[in-house]
Amino acid sequence: AQSVTQLGSHVSVSEGALVLLRCNYSSSVPPYLFWYVQYPNQGLQLLLKYTSAATLVKGINGFEAEFKKSETSFHLTKPSAHMSDAAEYFCAVSIGGSNYKLTFGKGTLLTVNP
Amino acid sequence: EAEVAQSPRYKITEKSQAVAFWCDPISGHATLYWYRQILGQGPELLVQFQDESVVDDSQLPKDRFSAERLKGVDSTLKIQPAELGDSAMYLCASSSRLAGGRTGELFFGEGSRLTVL
Repeated sequence: AQSVTQLGSHVSVSEGALVLLRCNYSSSVPPYLFWYVQYPNQGLQLLLKYTSAATLVKGINGFEAEFKKSETSFHLTKPSAHMSDAAEYFCAVSIGGSNYKLTFGKGTLLTVNP
Repeated sequence: EAEVAQSPRYKITEKSQAVAFWCDPISGHATLYWYRQILGQGPELLVQFQDESVVDDSQLPKDRFSAERLKGVDSTLKIQPAELGDSAMYLCASSSRLAGGRTGELFFGEGSRLTVL
């Protein structure tokens, strides 16, 4: 079975500081990994994805993530936080099969302080 | 920009009542998903359609939940009777391909928030 664990349900950073949101996955086969962002009262939006190409993946809004197989991790980073980054972030995994079902983590709420 | 439309945005109901949610996916998207997001948790897939056929409903509580996509376009998710534990955000998403979960190219609506009293 596939699963993801997001370490820290709430992360608080100052504006301009490094953002690091942690995600570890569990999968018996090579996974596809994703980060989604959810702003208040909105649906989810894809930030970036790893689909077995480059291990360092760049996404929208200056975010990037690195797939580390040895650590079974896919942490999300951004060098300098902006107030507009405040949102909930979800890590998700899918593996092969008939429908590539997405399994989401519990989410990490990012707060950015001025 | 094309969007996934959902209604109603908010619904308050009493337990044992029936409730229904509607979703209109992006035009041309053959794959449609219903997710349930309980407060403080990530979305959980309830049902996935490919055109009008159900691909995955393994997590759908079939004793009270039903979903249909009769013409392969819009979809309705129904709960009858509603229970307190059903309070959640119900998200609809669509994808242009069955393997949307491989590419991550799911487009989500704004959701329908259900409160059961």
